[in-house]
Amino acid sequence: NAGVTQTPKFQVLKTGQSMTLQCAQDMNHEYMSWYRQDPGMGLRLIHYSVGAGITDQGEVPNGYNVSRSTTEDFPLRLLSAAPSQTSVYFCASSGLWAGNTIYFGEGSWLTVV
Amino acid sequence: GENVEQHPSTLSVQEGDSAVIKCTYSDSASNYFPWYKQELGKGPQLIIDIRSNVGEKKDQRIAVTLNKTAKHFSLHITETQPEDSAVYFCAASKGTDKLIFGTGTRLQVFP
Repeated sequence: NAGVTQTPKFQVLKTGQSMTLQCAQDMNHEYMSWYRQDPGMGLRLIHYSVGAGITDQGEVPNGYNVSRSTTEDFPLRLLSAAPSQTSVYFCASSGLWAGNTIYFGEGSWLTVV
Repeated sequence: GENVEQHPSTLSVQEGDSAVIKCTYSDSASNYFPWYKQELGKGPQLIIDIRSNVGEKKDQRIAVTLNKTAKHFSLHITETQPEDSAVYFCAASKGTDKLIFGTGTRLQVFP
């Protein structure tokens, strides 16, 4: 069982560069989301999707884009990287309703210099 | 919207002692309260959860209690072991709303 798979694990970007963090899940979950984790800030929701073709903003969406063309994939794009986007990023998936276990990927460590 | 506060931010205990982490939430309509454990370099993993129609739930050495009137819930770990050392997150949600996480508690268990 692969669960939630994120790539890359580590990435260093220069300010202004763009990149895409990939996320795939093999559990046929409707709900997928991206969080960022910063020291003392917990997990903050960036964007989420409740199904293919549907995306919405979370708490901290600025500087990020997402799309959901399939149930399995939910990539996160950084359009023009800034040092403030240095963080650990987690992709997660679950069934749609509260009470469904959320499964997290292993994380992507991003440094913007 | 929902706001979840978590205390303490760090907790150090001796092996064998108990550890308690507390969270409060603001939205009285929230009805699902999971706890996640995050080990170093890993993603968070669900360890226990509780729904609003239940006051307490236990799973071996861990338990969660919920006080809906006061809008707070707590994680209790008994007979702590070094492998319990990790960051623990509480969260709250309702219906199809997104989970809102607390800021995390770093638990250190010393042998």
